[in-house]
Amino acid sequence: QVQLVESGGGVVQPGGSLRLSCAASGFTFSNFGMHWVRQAPGKGLEWVAFIPYNGNNKYYADSVKGRFSVSRDNSKNTLYLQMDSLRSEDTTVYFCVKDGGYFSFDHWGQGTLVTVSS
Amino acid sequence: QTVVTQEPSFSVSPEGTITLTCGFSSGSVSNNNYPSWYQQTPGQAPRTLIYNTNTRSSGVPDRFSGSILGNKAALTITGAQADDESNYYCAMYVRSGIWVIGGGTKVTVL
Repeated sequence: QVQLVESGGGVVQPGGSLRLSCAASGFTFSNFGMHWVRQAPGKGLEWVAFIPYNGNNKYYADSVKGRFSVSRDNSKNTLYLQMDSLRSEDTTVYFCVKDGGYFSFDHWGQGTLVTVSS
Repeated sequence: QTVVTQEPSFSVSPEGTITLTCGFSSGSVSNNNYPSWYQQTPGQAPRTLIYNTNTRSSGVPDRFSGSILGNKAALTITGAQADDESNYYCAMYVRSGIWVIGGGTKVTVL
């Protein structure tokens, strides 16, 4: 079955950087686009970024554009999110999400918490 | 900036029917936005319910259905069950490579 396991979350100071990883299994990773979606504690979901199956043409929400960078290594079945210039409002749980086709989100990881605090 | 709007909360009686809506702050929802719906209980990852406006995800009970109603996407729960008490989110594909998720609707079954 599809498994998505995020890692790399933690506490970072404002202005700092962090790289999240998502290890994928149970499907042919190189055939599917992948998303990052985040959720602040007690708040709603926010789409963050999308990378197609081949890693070309990456897309970002306005709130993270220019600060975050999504990438993937299809040889390692791993998705990444490089987060720079972190702000307090980036304090959220970050979910790795498999694209489900038909412009939808399919399977979700359990998430990793990022806390931006001094 | 595109904003997707949902009712903040809704209550339904057991076995009752409820329709949640999902719209744009400006403009109409169409099938070209490929509206999808997700269910999330506190502390859990979301679960996909509906995609491509009205296609149920694998294993989703048929009491959940999706549609376009007027200028909004809609999720209808027919015959609500106690374990349908959750937060429901809609997502819209708004333009090339960009998605927006609504603020969510908290559904209470009582």
